[in-house]
Amino acid sequence: GAVVSQHPSRVICKSGTSVKIECRSLDFQATTMFWYRQFPKQSLMLMATSNEGSKATYEQGVEKDKFLINHASLTLSTLTVTSAHPEDSSFYICSASSSGGLELFFGEGSRLTVL
Amino acid sequence: AQKVTQAQTEISVVEKEDVTLDCVYETRDTTYYLFWYKQPPSGELVFLIRRNSFDEQNEISGRYSWNFQKSTSSFNFTITASQVVDSAVYFCALSDPRSGGNMLTFGGGTRLMVKP
Repeated sequence: GAVVSQHPSRVICKSGTSVKIECRSLDFQATTMFWYRQFPKQSLMLMATSNEGSKATYEQGVEKDKFLINHASLTLSTLTVTSAHPEDSSFYICSASSSGGLELFFGEGSRLTVL
Repeated sequence: AQKVTQAQTEISVVEKEDVTLDCVYETRDTTYYLFWYKQPPSGELVFLIRRNSFDEQNEISGRYSWNFQKSTSSFNFTITASQVVDSAVYFCALSDPRSGGNMLTFGGGTRLMVKP
């Protein structure tokens, strides 16, 4: 079946640095990808919708200048957490849908720890 | 606005017991999809089922079964003869009509602990 891969799976960084997380669709073209955030022992909350070739659509309360999303190709979306702080420590999960259908695939997730 | 409620935050059972995880949803859409995912400690989401709002037939897959009641907006999940490997957090989710329904609204999750 279709696979969505995230990299890195775990990252630890110092406060103030920026971290990039990649989400790749390995065997299908994804015109739309979604980024979710999950704090410890909480549910997944949608952060933004990433559209290939256009600007991302952010959910209310998500700072677009802090969470930069780039969807430059049909198989790759990146989420950059800029000037990360400890409160940004979370599990970030992407999902991707194939063109024209309601097939939805989730990545393995990326656990960010900001010291 | 869309909303998914999983009233049970934690459930603890002994192996071989049956357990039902509740899910109630709210939506104004007439066409939607409901999902269940399993999240083991490693964090990845494991897809369990997707149900179309027009299909109210119950579904059984091995030890798993789902009861979709549109009249009460519920989509409950039952594990029969639970096993320790079933221990995980289970999420119910509802498709959001934006972006063609591929965007999901998740419930708060139910942590299931199956003890040997």
